[in-house]
Amino acid sequence: GAVVSQHPSRVICKSGTSVKIECRSLDFQATTMFWYRQFPKQSLMLMATSNEGSKATYEQGVEKDKFLINHASLTLSTLTVTSAHPEDSSFYICSARAQGTQYFGPGTRLLVL
Amino acid sequence: SQKIEQNSEALNIQEGKTATLTCNYTNYSPAYLQWYRQDPGRGPVFLLLIRENEKEKRKERLKVTFDTTLKQSLFHITASQPADSATYLCALVGTGRRALTFGSGTRLQVQP
Repeated sequence: GAVVSQHPSRVICKSGTSVKIECRSLDFQATTMFWYRQFPKQSLMLMATSNEGSKATYEQGVEKDKFLINHASLTLSTLTVTSAHPEDSSFYICSARAQGTQYFGPGTRLLVL
Repeated sequence: SQKIEQNSEALNIQEGKTATLTCNYTNYSPAYLQWYRQDPGRGPVFLLLIRENEKEKRKERLKVTFDTTLKQSLFHITASQPADSATYLCALVGTGRRALTFGSGTRLQVQP
């Protein structure tokens, strides 16, 4: 199957700082990538769809100015959590479509103190 | 409203038995449905995709059925092993959507 990587795998930051998470498709090109968030004991919730070369599409209730998405190339999408607060602490997972299905990265655990 | 429902209670079975997990959906007309495995602290791993015109699909010890009349998919693991212990998620794409929507997942625990 296709491989999707994420970096960093874990990050701890202070409240008010910004954190950038990278998502890469390693062996294929992805014009579309997806960002999900997962809180403990809950399922994955779609945050936004990242489109290469154009603006991301955000799900209802997700603040686009807080969660900045950039998809500058066919293999890289970044999610920046701006002015992070403790309630943003979560597990962030990216995904890209290949061969007719979605493949997921290993996730990034964000802890905001 | 649209819903994807999986049994939120953990499923505990003995090694060697067959595990059966259920996924029911409401107000979707999916062209296909997918099953993923998720281990703690990890991203989901794709297991199987079944299309609306397929009744059953198999991959090694895994079997998935898809009943579009009942709006239900069953996921079976035969000859289960402790290494099969994980959370299993069903997912589908809603009409006009591009991204997968996930059920809440069912945690499977296989006892040695």
